[in-house]
Amino acid sequence: EAGVAQSPRYKIIEKRQSVAFWCNPISGHATLYWYQQILGQGPKLLIQFQNNGVVDDSQLPKDRFSAERLKGVDSTLKIQPAKLEDSAVYLCASSATTYNQPQHFGDGTRLSIL
Amino acid sequence: RKEVEQDPGPFNVPEGATVAFNCTYSNSASQSFFWYRQDCRKEPKLLMSVYSSGNEDGRFTAQLNRASQYISLLIRDSKLSDSATYLCAVYTGGFKTIFGAGTRLFVKA
Repeated sequence: EAGVAQSPRYKIIEKRQSVAFWCNPISGHATLYWYQQILGQGPKLLIQFQNNGVVDDSQLPKDRFSAERLKGVDSTLKIQPAKLEDSAVYLCASSATTYNQPQHFGDGTRLSIL
Repeated sequence: RKEVEQDPGPFNVPEGATVAFNCTYSNSASQSFFWYRQDCRKEPKLLMSVYSSGNEDGRFTAQLNRASQYISLLIRDSKLSDSATYLCAVYTGGFKTIFGAGTRLFVKA
């Protein structure tokens, strides 16, 4: 089966600019996650969707980050405006359901803020 | 106290050695547990799920100790290719899975 697809792989922007990431989960996976991973740390959940509804966005900095999952399939994550501390890898993952299921990750987008 | 904690390491071991990592969790109601492997500059990949009775996959053995609230990963006969960061993930219920910060392993020739 095809894995989780993400784009772009790399992005370099200046602070205060905006950026968007795209994710297409494994076909049939109801749950989609966006994580932020800073070097040397574990993945930090930003937002979790169950189909097209938000299940958890408690750690999403909502003043600058937004995400949507229209039609319950692919998803976009946006940062506007970007700050230096947003430099990280943004990982998208999906799982068949929210319960007791392992997550499958995409390659991630490596974001550098200048 | 963090909800999920791992010793960051690094663990430096020679080829052929046996090495074990632990991952502690604070929520006693946690239901599911996983080990992931993450290579440098790559995404995490599922290594194995952790079952209540313990489970083994080749050289890898995972155990769950609910009384002391930790899971463990044992790697036997370490290979150079086992060098990576090992992340534990704990499903705490309420749609929430939390990842540890990872344990770094270096296997040397």
